[in-house]
Parts: sequence; structure tokens; C-alpha cells
Amino acid sequence: GNSVTQMEGPVTLSEEAFLTINCTYTATGYPSLFWYVQYPGEGLQLLLKATKADDKGSNKGFEATYRKETTSFHLEKGSVQVSDSAVYFCALSDLSNTGKLIFGQGTTLQVKP
Amino acid sequence: GAGVSQSPRYKVAKRGQDVALRCDPISGHVSLFWYQQALGQGPEFLTYFQNEAQLDKSGLPSDRFFAERPEGSVSTLKIQRTQQEDSAVYLCASSPRGSSGPYEQYFGPGTRLTVT
Repeated sequence: GNSVTQMEGPVTLSEEAFLTINCTYTATGYPSLFWYVQYPGEGLQLLLKATKADDKGSNKGFEATYRKETTSFHLEKGSVQVSDSAVYFCALSDLSNTGKLIFGQGTTLQVKP
Repeated sequence: GAGVSQSPRYKVAKRGQDVALRCDPISGHVSLFWYQQALGQGPEFLTYFQNEAQLDKSGLPSDRFFAERPEGSVSTLKIQRTQQEDSAVYLCASSPRGSSGPYEQYFGPGTRLTVT
């Protein structure tokens, strides 16, 4: 079945460091891929998405590229800020007619000043 | 405009009690999803509505779980005879479209259920 695997956290970085959070997926066909973020005390919100191979999603300095050949959708940011501290979830949209999301287990990012 | 709202935000139930969790989706959104998020895990799909029709309930863990959306807007997730393993955050999400695709799902803040 479809699944998403993320690197385990927590990831602890100093401010202005480079961030990579790895995400790989297993799916039949070509699902849409998403990164959601959950800030402390808040609900899940969409960070970025990509709908087909080689698409790059980007938002707020974060980027991820849909790599079909490696079935990956790694999240990157060139210079993190303290305000980026949150839990990040990689997800794919199931290709059934519901479009339900299948999530990874989440990666906690802590950015220290 | 208003986002997805859920109530109550926190619920403590004694084992064996029934609970009802409410979701108010964004007005006009056709699709509504329920997810269960255990501590330290990603959300897991429970059930899906398109308007008032429940088209997928494959994620409901047992027949103690029941969901409805009778008028195609507000939805209620009911858990009968709660067990400790039901303790989790229950998330509701809505989407403006009625079919699969790269459509954003808008999530509510969740209801944290603790079964003692």
C-alpha cells in the first residue's frame, strides 16, 4: 500500500543553518506530494506541494522537489530561523477518488538562536 | 474568513463512555475528512464525506466509531464505549473540491481525547 517515511527527529539546528528533512514514499502511480507544518499550539497547515515529477514546491524559503526516480520529496531551507521551530509532516494524496492524505510520522525541528 | 473549527478542544472520558466530536468545515467546502493522530505520530485517515455522502470509511478502527454529516456541512464523529487506545487527537479537514487531486485540505485545531 501507499506509505511515507520521514527521517526521525528531533533535528536541532542553529539559526541560519541549512535544513534538510528527508522524505521518501511508496505509491502506485503518481500521487501529489505535500509538506504540512504544525507550529506549537496550532493546527496543521500546508507549507508546499508538488503535483508531478520534477515539480518544485516552494514557500517561505522552503523548497522540495518531486523526484520520481528516487521516490523522494526532501524539504530544504537555506537559512532557518527560530520561528521555523515546528513539526513537519510529509504526505501524499491517495489516488483513490477521495484524495485522502497519507502522512509520515513527522519530524520535529528545533532552531536555537 | 473563518477556518475549520472543532469542539470540544479537549475531552476527558472514562473508559466505556460515549463521546461526540464536532467539526464545522469552511463554508461551502464539499469534502470533509476525519483523521486520528496518536502522540508522536502522523495523522491517519479515518473517513471521508463528499457533501452528506460518506464515501470512504475504510480507516475507522472498529464499529465503535461512527461519523455523520447529515446536511453536508457540520460533521460529528462519535465513539461508543471508549477505550484507552482511543486516546488521540482527532483532526477534521475540509477541501473545496469533490474529487481527488492536489487540492489543499484545511485542518482544524483538533480535539484531544483522553480516555481514563
